[in-house]
Amino acid sequence: GESVGLHLPTLSVQEGDNSIINCAYSNSASDYFIWYKQESGKGPQFIIDIRSNMDKRQGQRVTVLLNKTVKHLSLQIAATQPGDSAVYFCAENSGGSNYKLTFGKGTLLTVNP
Amino acid sequence: ETGVTQSPTHLIKTRGQQVTLRCSSQSGHNTVSWYQQALGQGPQFIFQYYREEENGRGNFPPRFSGLQFPNYSSELNVNALELDDSALYLCASSLAKGGAYEQYFGPGTRLTVT
Repeated sequence: GESVGLHLPTLSVQEGDNSIINCAYSNSASDYFIWYKQESGKGPQFIIDIRSNMDKRQGQRVTVLLNKTVKHLSLQIAATQPGDSAVYFCAENSGGSNYKLTFGKGTLLTVNP
Repeated sequence: ETGVTQSPTHLIKTRGQQVTLRCSSQSGHNTVSWYQQALGQGPQFIFQYYREEENGRGNFPPRFSGLQFPNYSSELNVNALELDDSALYLCASSLAKGGAYEQYFGPGTRLTVT
């Protein structure tokens, strides 16, 4: 069935390093993808989104890459800071008038000072 | 802060009881989606409301029901609570219906069923 999955459940990096969080999706009809950050005890926080007609989008310190050929999504965080420590989720919309987002299980990012 | 608020923050109920959770959407947003997030999992879509009507539903039984009011605030009602209903319940508001738009999440309501 349709699913969104993550390659790495945990990622530990040093402060100042760049982080890359990966996500695989299985529904080739998905046309919209979002990355969310969720800190302990809080709701998911929107980071960046990308539509299927793009392969790259940049925000402040973050870049999302979309490879539709292999159905892969990644989030790159530049100069990772301790405040970036959280669980990161990718989510997909399966296209058309589909009303819901399908979330992956999440990757825990830990930034060591 | 997203401007989406939820109440209560925490709630403890007994199996078989009923619960109502509330959500106020971000100003100007006419769509509210509800999600259930079990511990250690990603959010699971329950349903979405657009201009007071249900716009879509996930794989949840009928004892999960909802309402959206003219001011676009929303309620999630769960009847006949089961232990597995223990989770964080999130609402998210957006400017348009469907999933292909930015959805802004509230802080969630932590429901514990004993």
